[in-house]
Amino acid sequence: DTGVSQDPRHKITKRGQNVTFRCDPISEHNRLYWYRQTLGQGPEFLTYFQNEAQLEKSRLLSDRFSAERPKGSFSTLEIQRTEQGDSAMYLCASSVSVGGVDTQYFGPGTRLTVL
Amino acid sequence: DQQVKQNSPSLSVQEGRISILNCDYTNSMFDYFLWYKKYPAEGPTFLISISSIKDKNEDGRFTVFLNKSAKHLSLHIVPSQPGDSAVYFCAASWGNKLVFGAGTILRVKS
Repeated sequence: DTGVSQDPRHKITKRGQNVTFRCDPISEHNRLYWYRQTLGQGPEFLTYFQNEAQLEKSRLLSDRFSAERPKGSFSTLEIQRTEQGDSAMYLCASSVSVGGVDTQYFGPGTRLTVL
Repeated sequence: DQQVKQNSPSLSVQEGRISILNCDYTNSMFDYFLWYKKYPAEGPTFLISISSIKDKNEDGRFTVFLNKSAKHLSLHIVPSQPGDSAVYFCAASWGNKLVFGAGTILRVKS
């Protein structure tokens, strides 16, 4: 399977703990995105990388959140001092611009539950 | 501030009939629109898209219509199949991010 993969698929943690999620994009895609989805809502944009450069961050991305894409391939999203409000599905997407069209393809997501 | 709205939380359609899912947006700067389908416990799957310079795009059973003056787009599925039952998200592209609606649950009854 050559789609976007995410690990882990599920994470349960206690409030105050740190968690890290990994995303492996489609291999030829130079753009990578993180979104968060809560129940009954559509995904909300968190941040965007082009190659290894983080080019945009949402105001939703508080200082407890940090994302990296060190070699322009896989990416990690870390949440420090988790809070119950961080419980959500964290989605990763990747894309490459073809003829000016940039379609994002999503991974299966990591479901985070903070107790 | 909901820039993309899907006003119908759910839709139920008989197998073989047409499903029409609607989406409204407020930001005239959106330049590209997409529809995604999502099954439980999976990520959104890309279905079909349309550029803001077009008014229709068709791919098999799926057709997306864009009415820029009304800031409205719709997804038509003909004929609907039970396997189409899922949550459908409308998304609009602005810069390097997608802005999503809240989704419409489609149930296709056999």
